Amino acid sequence: DTGVSQDPRHKITKRGQNVTFRCDPISEHNRLYWYRQTLGQGPEFLTYFQNEAQLEKSRLLSDRFSAERPKGSFSTLEIQRTEQGDSAMYLCASSLRANSGNTIYFGEGSWLTVV
Amino acid sequence: KNEVEQSPQNLTAQEGEFITINCSYSVGISALHWLQQHPGGGIVSLFMLSSGKKKHGRLIATINIQEKHSSLHITASHPRDSAVYICAVLSYNTDKLIFGTGTRLQVFP
Repeated sequence: DTGVSQDPRHKITKRGQNVTFRCDPISEHNRLYWYRQTLGQGPEFLTYFQNEAQLEKSRLLSDRFSAERPKGSFSTLEIQRTEQGDSAMYLCASSLRANSGNTIYFGEGSWLTVV
Repeated sequence: KNEVEQSPQNLTAQEGEFITINCSYSVGISALHWLQQHPGGGIVSLFMLSSGKKKHGRLIATINIQEKHSSLHITASHPRDSAVYICAVLSYNTDKLIFGTGTRLQVFP
């Protein structure tokens, strides 16, 4: 297994454009998390999935943000009408069902710069 | 107040020194993770704890559930240990990871 992979790793976009990030979790991991991290800060929770069900969305996730995990495998995070404040690293992580306390695995992150 | 607090925020050390990073949390947890993040973003899980103590090489992690406190120790620190160390707790109620803001460690030769 190659671990959690994210694509693209880097994205520069003009304000107002839409961007989409993809996360491929470790196979058979049913939990998938999206986090956002800005410089000097720890990751902030955005949303997470149990299989294809989106269980929780953070208040940070405005109407311009949407995440899907249609078949319970890969996930996409779309940001519409990007703003400069959206510039951050978007981290994906996966694990087996978390309550059993299994190790969580992180992707390398997708860096977004909105100019 | 953040649900997960780490101290110190920044730490510098000379090679060979013993290092301690602390984490306090205010929520009920199922587990606590210590994570390492290098420049460029990649995060690696170092430990997952629900009680007691774990050791891996020069790294030791302890947790006191009653006091809601955990420590990460690095013995005989090395410049390659320079990174950001993040404490993250798995909330028992909400079942999601809550992160601390991290401790930036620099070890000089």
